[in-house]
Amino acid sequence: QKEVEQNSGPLSVPEGAIASLNCTYSDRGSQSFFWYRQYSGKSPELIMSIYSNGDKEDGRFTAQLNKASQYVSLLIRDSQPSDSATYLCAVTANNNDMRFGAGTRLTVKP
Amino acid sequence: DAGVIQSPRHEVTEMGQEVTLRCKPISGHDYLFWYRQTMMRGLELLIYFNNNVPIDDSGMPEDRFSAKMPNASFSTLKIQPSEPRDSAVYFCASSIKFGTQYFGPGTRLLVL
Repeated sequence: QKEVEQNSGPLSVPEGAIASLNCTYSDRGSQSFFWYRQYSGKSPELIMSIYSNGDKEDGRFTAQLNKASQYVSLLIRDSQPSDSATYLCAVTANNNDMRFGAGTRLTVKP
Repeated sequence: DAGVIQSPRHEVTEMGQEVTLRCKPISGHDYLFWYRQTMMRGLELLIYFNNNVPIDDSGMPEDRFSAKMPNASFSTLKIQPSEPRDSAVYFCASSIKFGTQYFGPGTRLLVL
């Protein structure tokens, strides 16, 4: 079982719609959760971090964490073509190193 | 402030040659990470340092790979001898404690 799992996609949504990206993790002791965005040919950049159960909102982005279900998600409201990228879920486990999911490729169609 | 700096940005070499990748972390960051990214395996953590000391190198694929951090502002990842399957993008990232990791632009390595 992979430590951090994401649907590879591609996920395609029309402009203005809500994009929902999901991630599950295997280590129940995981403490910190991150969403990175990676444009093609570029390096990952952090867009959201979340540490406690519930929702965290930042502009058009909302991260949701459910530790009981070992699940973290990212919602992108009013999706824009510029949101088209690969989104990487990352989890910091008990041993303090960060494990990344394989990423979900999102395409927002005008 | 400058972000994480990596060099070279692109490297093409022949199988069997030694390859050295370089990284300068963000000033004041006490953690430094080396990652490798391929289409097949995604983003993999190779090794990380805390205050210049290697903490976990369990991700280093084999003895051909080695990493050093002689001081707080410089790290190297060396592959000797290189093989075609080492072709990938190698990222360096740094952070304060276990906070947000900031990635460098990456080095695209092609081993022929």
